[in-house]
Amino acid sequence: AQTVTQSQPEMSVQEAETVTLSCTYDTSENNYYLFWYKQPPSRQMILVIRQEAYKQQNATENRFSVNFQKAAKSFSLKISDSQLGDTAMYFCAFILSNTNAGKSTFGDGTTLTVKP
Amino acid sequence: DTEVTQTPKHLVMGMTNKKSLKCEQHMGHRAMYWYKQKAKKPPELMFVYSYEKLSINESVPSRFSPECPNSSLLNLHLHALQPEDSALYLCASSQGHSERNTIYFGEGSWLTVV
Repeated sequence: AQTVTQSQPEMSVQEAETVTLSCTYDTSENNYYLFWYKQPPSRQMILVIRQEAYKQQNATENRFSVNFQKAAKSFSLKISDSQLGDTAMYFCAFILSNTNAGKSTFGDGTTLTVKP
Repeated sequence: DTEVTQTPKHLVMGMTNKKSLKCEQHMGHRAMYWYKQKAKKPPELMFVYSYEKLSINESVPSRFSPECPNSSLLNLHLHALQPEDSALYLCASSQGHSERNTIYFGEGSWLTVV
C-alpha cells in the first residue's frame, strides 16, 4: 500500500517571502503521479501542480514549483512571493498509473498561513 | 466553466430523517465522485460513477445511497445517519476516469447529524 506523509501540520510565512512544504511518500511501484492540492477556508479544493514520476524535470506553475526527488521519494512544494490568498490547507497526493482518478492517497495536509 | 456546484451548502438532519445532497457539473465530464472529509483531514473517497454507472463503492454503509440521474447530476441520498457521519461531503468530476485526468471539486456540503 502507498503512504503519503506531510510532516508539517502547520506553517506560516510572511507575505512576499518563499515557503517550502514537505511531502514524502512510499511505494514500490515505478509509474505514478504526484499532486499538490490547495483547499482555502470554505472554498473548493483545487489542483495546484502535478508531477509525472517518469519526468525528471520538476513541474512549475507560476509561483508554485516542486522539488521531485524520486530516489528519496520526496515531493516538496515551493511557493514563491507568497500572497495572502495562498492561505489554505495543502494536501500532497499520490496515485499509481492505471488507477481510477478518484483513488489518490492523500497526506494529512499542511495548514499554511500567509501573514501580512 | 470549471465549476462543480453542490447544494445545499449546509444541512442539519436528525438520525431518522431522509435527505439528499445534490451535485451538478456542465463540463461534459463523464466521471463523478463523492468524498467525505472530516475537519482538518484529507478527503476520503466514497463512490465513483463512470459514464453514469457506479464503478467504485469504497465499502460505504448502505445508509449512504448514491444516484446518477444523468451525466451532469450526482445525488447522495442520506437515511438513518449517525452523528459520526457529520462531515463535509465533496462532489467532484473529471473528464475521464484515468489517473491522468484533473479532478475538479465542488465547495462541499456541510452535514451535521443530530
